[in-house]
Amino acid sequence: DIVLTQTPLSLPVTPGEPASISCRSSQSLLNSDDGITYLDWYLQKPGQSPRLLIYTVSFRAGGVPDRFSGSGSGTDFTLRISRVEAEDVGIYYCVQRIATYTFGQGTKLEIK
Amino acid sequence: QVQLQESGPRLVKPSETLPLTCTVSGGSVGNTMYHWAWIRQPPGKGLEWIGSVTYTGNSYYNPSLKSRVTISVDTSQNHFSLKLTSVTAADTALYYCARHVTQGVFGWWGPGTRVTVSS
Repeated sequence: DIVLTQTPLSLPVTPGEPASISCRSSQSLLNSDDGITYLDWYLQKPGQSPRLLIYTVSFRAGGVPDRFSGSGSGTDFTLRISRVEAEDVGIYYCVQRIATYTFGQGTKLEIK
Repeated sequence: QVQLQESGPRLVKPSETLPLTCTVSGGSVGNTMYHWAWIRQPPGKGLEWIGSVTYTGNSYYNPSLKSRVTISVDTSQNHFSLKLTSVTAADTALYYCARHVTQGVFGWWGPGTRVTVSS
């Protein structure tokens, strides 16, 4: 089974400052047959269902502000927020879908 | 646009079977493009994919739950269902249903339904 490890698990950030979350996979998420890396990011705001932010490592989902970006390859991935806003609070999850689905443990972003 | 709504008992006794249904509106569970999934979130914990089903009824599951899970689809009722047997307190969670394409992202989610396992 593929295990995803996120760091940090808690992320206090001052508004306007950048933030980054790491996601490390126990196996490569690159499918050598199609060249796609199957790693996505979701945000679960308080009291809401999760919402897709980034798919296939670096593509922003519809309506996602451009202050969110994703990068990485193979087994190491990063979600970056260039300037955190109050509305960004919630729990961020990385998810792999190269072999069914696995979620990371989640990173709770809070405003200082 | 498509909407998903979970329904089922809020309280289930230990060792019994948990039955949940996800009713789809604004779309069809018979759409050949989509798979239909169940995902859960224990209190204060992260998300766990339980399994998914296609419009033909082909299902696939999280190996850690496979022995206790059945996911089925009913195109006549436009819903899909989860059955989780032999539940324990560890199955207490917020249960979500969601839609995805083959090996795709979870693009649409229901609001979730909270289930407690307790005698």
